[in-house]
Amino acid sequence: GENVEQHPSTLSVQEGDSAVIKCTYSDSASNYFPWYKQELGKRPQLIIDIRSNVGEKKDQRIAVTLNKTAKHFSLHITETQPEDSAVYFCAAMNSGYSTLTFGKGTMLLVSP
Amino acid sequence: EADIYQTPRYLVIGTGKKITLECSQTMGHDKMYWYQQDPGMELHLIHYSYGVNSTEKGDLSSESTVSRIRTEHFPLTLESARPSHTSQYLCASNKGSGTEAFFGQGTRLTVV
Repeated sequence: GENVEQHPSTLSVQEGDSAVIKCTYSDSASNYFPWYKQELGKRPQLIIDIRSNVGEKKDQRIAVTLNKTAKHFSLHITETQPEDSAVYFCAAMNSGYSTLTFGKGTMLLVSP
Repeated sequence: EADIYQTPRYLVIGTGKKITLECSQTMGHDKMYWYQQDPGMELHLIHYSYGVNSTEKGDLSSESTVSRIRTEHFPLTLESARPSHTSQYLCASNKGSGTEAFFGQGTRLTVV
């Protein structure tokens, strides 16, 4: 089955800095890679996703890159703000399966 | 409004009690999932369903059971609750492979 590794487990940055979270996956057949944000006491919500036919996707201050050869993908947040503080999860899915395999999560803390 | 609903939000019960955590979605999704989220953040898949009368065990061994008699309803039952079952339980659904998964608000269960 799929195995997703996520690093770092915690990340502290100053407001305005960039934050990068990295994930690797094991199943070369995986082709869908979403990122979820979970604020304290709330449900995880999708912030951006990427499919295996593209290498990069951007939405305002967040971007995701995918390297299929190396089987890793990354989340980039620029100009971080205190409201970006949350737990971020990466995940991978194979079109042949219907379950998402999540990484262990990264707690991002943005200090004013 | 189309959403995924979980009840109760919080539950404190005694050891040995039987409990059912409710999950309903009005999004018309075929696929539904139960995740257990430990205090360390990690999301563990415990059960999933492809549709009516379909149930599968997830990656994490669980003493719970599920049923899927109606498309919109995916309850999780613990026949005899134990303190080790204390956790947050998140229900999710999606339309199909490679599509966004939507999460419910979660049930925070405490077994005393």
